Amino acid sequence: EAQVTQNPRYLITVTGKKLTVTCSQNMNHEYMSWYRQDPGLGLRQIYYSMNVEVTDKGDVPEGYKVSRKEKRNFPLILESPSPNQTSLYFCASSYRQGARTNEKLFFGSGTQLSVL
Amino acid sequence: AQKITQTQPGMFVQEKEAVTLDCTYDTSDPSYGLFWYKQPSSGEMIFLIYQGSYDQQNATEGRYSLNFQKARKSANLVISASQLGDSAMYFCAMRGVGGTSYGKLTFGQGTILTVHP
Repeated sequence: EAQVTQNPRYLITVTGKKLTVTCSQNMNHEYMSWYRQDPGLGLRQIYYSMNVEVTDKGDVPEGYKVSRKEKRNFPLILESPSPNQTSLYFCASSYRQGARTNEKLFFGSGTQLSVL
Repeated sequence: AQKITQTQPGMFVQEKEAVTLDCTYDTSDPSYGLFWYKQPSSGEMIFLIYQGSYDQQNATEGRYSLNFQKARKSANLVISASQLGDSAMYFCAMRGVGGTSYGKLTFGQGTILTVHP
């Protein structure tokens, strides 16, 4: 089954304790990206990756890191989480983002993160 | 820079009636795509419909249609014959292909739709 798998679904942590949210897709998608969802703000893009070893900042990258060493995986790293990073996080992937704009995103199930 | 605005935090509709969810956008990209996604209370994101900026006709997908008015920079979602299962959060989103927009996807704030029986 074609899917984007995020883990964990729920995570409670404390300020400053490094954490990683994993994201994996089995559709051979070139493009992957991370979003955070906050009430009243919708989804905001954190980072995106056009392909292996190619990553770039989205609109809210501060406090986050990513890596794309393999095509299928795109982990999100919070090296020193703070309470303002409490949010619902989504990973998404799609086929190549070239001159066409019609490639829809396939989303993971989301990770609800609470930083105390 | 891209911007998406959804001005309706919440909308109510009677079952079987049609409803329009508003979306306006701003971009300097010569080419772009507009999407609508649905997020039920279970949390997953479901793709509904896509409209390209150069498409001659408005997009339709079953009960969903997109009222695209390029000059007004609006891309409203029309749901015909609403069903109880349509109750959800709806997001409008945009992707551009020019310059600094390459690879970026911008979402609106969302509209919560409630369908009454």
